[in-house]
Amino acid sequence: AQSVTQPDIHITVSEGASLELRCNYSYGATPYLFWYVQSPGQGLQLLLKYFSGDTLVQGIKGFEAEFKRSQSSFNLRKPSVHWSDAAEYFCAVGNTGFQKLVFGTGTRLLVSP
Amino acid sequence: DGGITQSPKYLFRKEGQNVTLSCEQNLNHDAMYWYRQDPGQGLRLIYYSQIVNDFQKGDIAEGYSVSREKKESFPLTVTSAQKNPTAFYLCASSIADGELFFGEGSRLTVL
Repeated sequence: AQSVTQPDIHITVSEGASLELRCNYSYGATPYLFWYVQSPGQGLQLLLKYFSGDTLVQGIKGFEAEFKRSQSSFNLRKPSVHWSDAAEYFCAVGNTGFQKLVFGTGTRLLVSP
Repeated sequence: DGGITQSPKYLFRKEGQNVTLSCEQNLNHDAMYWYRQDPGQGLRLIYYSQIVNDFQKGDIAEGYSVSREKKESFPLTVTSAQKNPTAFYLCASSIADGELFFGEGSRLTVL
């Protein structure tokens, strides 16, 4: 069965510092991988996705993620965090066709001044 | 602008009542989904539909029902059989091999 693990429930980063959010997945075939962001009380917005090809994926708001098949990971990174990046981040895994995504439990990012 | 509209944003229900959450999309997407979100548990799939007049149970379908009479609409009914319905409900849509687009969510509270 598909599963996604986000080992960090909360992360606090100073504004301007770099960020890495971890995501590990379990899936039998080549996965479709996603990162979404959610502000409090809002829906989810897609940051980036990996389907195939280049394993380093660029997304919106300056985020990037790297697919590492050998480590079953898809970590999200940003070189310099802004206060507006404070939100909850979800990693998800899917398959070809229509995406019945399986989500991780999320990582809440706090940004300190 | 194209998007997904969920209503109401906030809903209160008394014990034993059924309630229906609305989800409408104008993205011309074939597939629609309902997820439930609880603190610390991520999103869990309730029901999904890939085509009009057809839908399938997700991981936590018990106590919920859906219909898909129109491509644009996928309402979710939370029945009295759902033992713990207080949660944040998210509707989404997609095309095949595409990402999910989400609505703004509906928060249901049982009084």
